[in-house]
Amino acid sequence: ETGVTQSPTHLIKTRGQQVTLRCSSQSGHNTVSWYQQALGQGPQFIFQYYREEENGRGNFPPRFSGLQFPNYSSELNVNALELDDSALYLCASSLARGSVNTGELFFGEGSRLTVL
Amino acid sequence: QQPVQSPQAVILREGEDAVINCSSSKALYSVHWYRQKHGEAPVFLMILLKGGEQKGHEKISASFNEKKQQSSLYLTASQLSYSGTYFCGTVKLNDMRFGAGTRLTVKP
Repeated sequence: ETGVTQSPTHLIKTRGQQVTLRCSSQSGHNTVSWYQQALGQGPQFIFQYYREEENGRGNFPPRFSGLQFPNYSSELNVNALELDDSALYLCASSLARGSVNTGELFFGEGSRLTVL
Repeated sequence: QQPVQSPQAVILREGEDAVINCSSSKALYSVHWYRQKHGEAPVFLMILLKGGEQKGHEKISASFNEKKQQSSLYLTASQLSYSGTYFCGTVKLNDMRFGAGTRLTVKP
């Protein structure tokens, strides 16, 4: 176990709805990254939060947004859900020292989202 | 910005060796390797940092050619437990991008 927990583990939504996924990072870690993994594909980087601020973003539209809280837990919000948003959403925590993150990622088990 | 992995898939017999490659078009700070088994989260294997520092599991070895922006993961004397999809992750500044993965199957 990595100490990173995600909730919910599975959920089903309909197109146009909004969803919030939650992640509790490993104790002592200050950075949380979110990834989207479609079936049979590698994890695609959504964004990263370091000390409550977004410090990196992948090619995802603004309807993907996030937050990191003072205890370093995090949320991923997706508005106006589309069918293509169906995927496994992985949260990973790590310890960054300064502006460069060389720490290994510890992944949660993921939240599997199905959009109908 | 996504690294490119090769091969896409490998099938081995127990005890055989394999090499998985990862290349990037961008200057990198570090390369990470992860393994993901079906239905599970990716698990850390190794980090290779610019300058030669490495950290990871004792039974896994890898190389990082900074000039070519390439890394290779060496799996020797493979075991059934090595089966899974291997991902390289590259770090340029402070976030990690993953390749599409290499599916490794080890058969008895």
